[in-house]
Amino acid sequence: QSALTQPPSASGSPGQSVTISCTGTSSDVGGYNYVSWYQQHPGKAPRLMIYEVTKRPSGVPDRFSGSKSGNTASLTVSGLQAEDEADYYCNSYAGSNNFVFGTGTKVTVL
Amino acid sequence: EVQLVESGGGLVQPGGSLRLSCAASGFTFSAHYMDWVRQAPGKGLEWIGRITNNPNSYTTNYAASVKGRFTISRNESQNSLYLHMSSLKTEDTAVYYCARDWRTALDYWGQGTLVTVSS
Repeated sequence: QSALTQPPSASGSPGQSVTISCTGTSSDVGGYNYVSWYQQHPGKAPRLMIYEVTKRPSGVPDRFSGSKSGNTASLTVSGLQAEDEADYYCNSYAGSNNFVFGTGTKVTVL
Repeated sequence: EVQLVESGGGLVQPGGSLRLSCAASGFTFSAHYMDWVRQAPGKGLEWIGRITNNPNSYTTNYAASVKGRFTISRNESQNSLYLHMSSLKTEDTAVYYCARDWRTALDYWGQGTLVTVSS
């Protein structure tokens, strides 16, 4: 199972929006509505930000939103804040009780 | 408060074995599937495997990179998750995280334990 493809980096100024893509195949992203997104600050454990493509767990700001079209899922962070600077990873169910992470995207707040 | 605490990491020689533990508290352990994820130094996250929660018939699944070398198990009476690693390779060097599986996402993570495979 190959890692899902994410852009290595993305950036935006405070208050702006940034969108991160996560491209897979019809066997993972395109085949199931089980895409999740994780935020990871340096030296810290990942934090769940989005599950089942579009849903936000309790405590996650509504500035974070998810979507999917075909084999590509996306995470949008609106109203960028300094604390949003982190690495972001997508994850998808890939069938047969297997999962695959994306390659990761470093978000920089300019 | 949900807590996951990994232990057991350390330095091991190539070809060696190691067992990691994950102590769970603050939730009904038996109600959740559990996963292991690793992160090599400076690299991205890699899903390693998952164990279901049916004590009559646990099911485990593994990434191709560790299948046949790693085994996930759990002990409901001790609220603990384990990762048995054997035939370790230098490329297995990573921080290993346990995580609670919830609606096919990982909603709580431990702080991680570092495994270094080196001679």
